[in-house]
This record gives sequence, structure tokens and C-alpha cells, in this order.
Amino acid sequence: DAGVIQSPRHEVTEMGQEVTLRCKPISGHNSLFWYRQTMMRGLELLIYFNNNVPIDDSGMPEDRFSAKMPNASFSTLKIQPSEPRDSAVYFCASSPGDRRDGYTFGSGTRLTVV
Amino acid sequence: AQKITQTQPGMFVQEKEAVTLDCTYDTSDPSYGLFWYKQPSSGEMIFLIYQGSYDQQNATEGRYSLNFQKARKSANLVISASQLGDSAMYFCAMRELNRDDKIIFGKGTRLHILP
Repeated sequence: DAGVIQSPRHEVTEMGQEVTLRCKPISGHNSLFWYRQTMMRGLELLIYFNNNVPIDDSGMPEDRFSAKMPNASFSTLKIQPSEPRDSAVYFCASSPGDRRDGYTFGSGTRLTVV
Repeated sequence: AQKITQTQPGMFVQEKEAVTLDCTYDTSDPSYGLFWYKQPSSGEMIFLIYQGSYDQQNATEGRYSLNFQKARKSANLVISASQLGDSAMYFCAMRELNRDDKIIFGKGTRLHILP
């Protein structure tokens, strides 16, 4: 298995632009998670899906952030409009059905908003 | 509410020595899982070890072991015979098994192995 695949690896964009981050989870994993990592806040859970359904989006910072999972093999995290304070590493992770299993993380997307 | 505390922001350890990274947790769920992840400077998150709250024995994975003290609500990671490649950020995390699928992470401990 290729693991959790995220794209792009790096994104530099100007303030106000729309940014879309993509994630392909491991086949057969039925839970998908989006995290944001910054020096100040550490790893923050933004949203997670179970069987493609959003379960908890309480970590999404504001309405500028949205996430979708149209099918079991693809998810997007969109920021519109982007702001400099959104600069962070965004991780996608997936997990199989057993809660005793940990996550498998993607390599992350380093977002820089200038 | 669940909470993970890692009190050591940074540690310096001589190569080949054993290392203990501290982690305490708080939960009202009697059934929970504890995880440790490693994040090297390259940035990826690597799963190291898992301990279930009802597991009778402390978890071990190669040079990694988990010193699980349930009454104290602590789950310290022990790395034996440390190597230069162990230099990384280490995160303790917890999932409440009766509640939901979320894993909550601590702030992490940065470990530096000295040659």
C-alpha cells in the first residue's frame, strides 16, 4: 500500500486566494482526519470523517475552512480566502475501524500564505 | 474532557543511554488507548507503540517500551540504547475507545541524542 497520500507537499499562496489540499486515505480505512500543526498550537484536529460522513468539525477554525469527502478514496480541505495566520503544516491521516489502531499519517502539506 | 500532558519540552541525552519521555493523561472513559508517535525533522508522523487501558502487560516494540501506570494515569515512553536517529519530536496521544474516533495529542517533547 502506498500509504496516505497528500498533495501538494508545499503550497505558497497570496493572502485572499483559495487553497485546496487533497488527501487519499489508505484503502479500507474508514476514518479520515485532518490536523493542523503549528509551533504555537501543536497538533490540532480540524475535522474527521467516518465512512465519508463528517462526524466532528468542531476544530475547524472558522467559516473560511471547509472539508469534503465525496468518496472513500478522496478528501479535500479548502481555505477560502486564505490568510497569513493559516500558514501551517496540514496533515491528513486515516484509520481502520478498530479504535485500538493508530492513525497512519500522510506526509503533510506545508502551507505558506504571504 | 480528555487531556494529554507532556511536561518536558526538550531533552538532551547521550547516545546509548536509555531515555524516558513523560506523559500523563486524564479521561473519564474507563476504556482508552494510548499512543506514541515520532516526528523526525523531515516532518512525517511515525506510529511507535500502543497501550490499551485493559492490557495486562506493558507494551513493547523493539527498543520502545511503554511504562504504563494506570493509577497514576501515566504512560511514559522508554527508549533503550538510544541512537542518533532517535533525535526527533515525540508525541503522546490518547483515544477514548467508548466515545469516538478522535485521537488527542500532547504538545510533544523534542529529544536530542548527543554523540
